[in-house]
Amino acid sequence: AQSVAQPEDQVNVAEGNPLTVKCTYSVSGNPYLFWYVQYPNRGLQFLLKYITGDNLVKGSYGFEAEFNKSQTSFHLKKPSALVSDSALYFCAVRPIGGYSTLTFGKGTMLLVSP
Amino acid sequence: DVKVTQSSRYLVKRTGEKVFLECVQDMDHENMFWYRQDPGLGLRLIYFSYDVKMKEKGDIPEGYSVSREKKERFSLILESASTNQTSMYLCASSLPSQGIGGNTIYFGEGSWLTVV
Repeated sequence: AQSVAQPEDQVNVAEGNPLTVKCTYSVSGNPYLFWYVQYPNRGLQFLLKYITGDNLVKGSYGFEAEFNKSQTSFHLKKPSALVSDSALYFCAVRPIGGYSTLTFGKGTMLLVSP
Repeated sequence: DVKVTQSSRYLVKRTGEKVFLECVQDMDHENMFWYRQDPGLGLRLIYFSYDVKMKEKGDIPEGYSVSREKKERFSLILESASTNQTSMYLCASSLPSQGIGGNTIYFGEGSWLTVV
């Protein structure tokens, strides 16, 4: 069975500083990896995904994520945080092939202070 | 842009009532999903469907059923609502996921259900 761990319930960062939201996964075989963001009282919005190829994936709103197969990690990063980045972030995984669905982590709340 | 529309954003229902949550997508996606979101538990899959009239149980199907009579519409049914079903319900859709393709799942805005 696949699983996702987001070890931090909350990440605090000052505006302008770099941010990292951590994600590790467990899956049989090679993974598809996703990041989603959820603003208050809204649904989830797709940020970026890793399918294959370059380990550094760039996505929406200046976010990027680095796939590290040896560490089974897919951390979300941004060089300079904005207050408007404050939201709940979800990492998700599914194995390549087959009919399996996405498995989500429990989410990490990002709070960016002015 | 993909549009997944959940017909009700906020509902309050009484214990024992039958509740219907409706979802429509406009991108001709084969796959549709219903998730439940609770604080500290993340998203949990209730049911999904790969095709019309087809359904598969997710991780927490107990107390729920689904209906997919048309490709664009996927309904979640609570046969007899209970207070522990108070939650945020998220509908989603995607292109087929089998074989190649890490096809993105697109979400609706969510339906907040309170059972009293």
